[in-house]
Amino acid sequence: DAKTTQPPSMDCAEGRAANLPCNHSTISGNEYVYWYRQIHSQGPQYIIHGLKNNETNEMASLIITEDRKSSTLILPHATLRDTAVYYCIGDSNSGYALNFGKGTSLLVTP
Amino acid sequence: EAGVAQSPRYKIIEKRQSVAFWCNPISGHATLYWYQQILGQGPKLLIQFQNNGVVDDSQLPKDRFSAERLKGVDSTLKIQPAKLEDSAVYLCASSLVAGAPEAFFGQGTRLTVV
Repeated sequence: DAKTTQPPSMDCAEGRAANLPCNHSTISGNEYVYWYRQIHSQGPQYIIHGLKNNETNEMASLIITEDRKSSTLILPHATLRDTAVYYCIGDSNSGYALNFGKGTSLLVTP
Repeated sequence: EAGVAQSPRYKIIEKRQSVAFWCNPISGHATLYWYQQILGQGPKLLIQFQNNGVVDDSQLPKDRFSAERLKGVDSTLKIQPAKLEDSAVYLCASSLVAGAPEAFFGQGTRLTVV
């Protein structure tokens, strides 16, 4: 079973920040949180990952709570091209292959 | 840098027929994954290779699915015989090593079994 819980869908206005929440209260202390997204008819794409500290890259920021029970992916200025399913992943197999849940379908509107 | 290549992009077959999918990972990537994605769901891992050895095939329906990765590079996934419930997108991904944070996915093969 996936160790994360996400809302099934969210909307965001173009140009605004998109804040995607994820609950992962059962992940262990040494398990990373990964975020991927999947644009329609494409394969998933890596966005960012983190363990304890907040992380930022050219695509997004990841804010992880101090107790590591939840995190938020922030797309600072959402564009129409950010419309996709966003997966928060906190679970992998013994070979570190990621176990995807159902994700959050983000719709960015004009 | 070339991405993960998969073929074909689409395939329609009748139930009980066989089908094969091909994947060429990114050059130098030791780890290769096959995922199955049913409409409306997230990808589900079928099999993971490290070079040409199997790391995890616990979710591969071995009575009908098989996969190989000869010479630790290209990989094929075969279904024989196909069932209606095998209709899905089959995604191949690769990463530099197992545990690397970024896995690169191909565009997938959309299989329809009628």
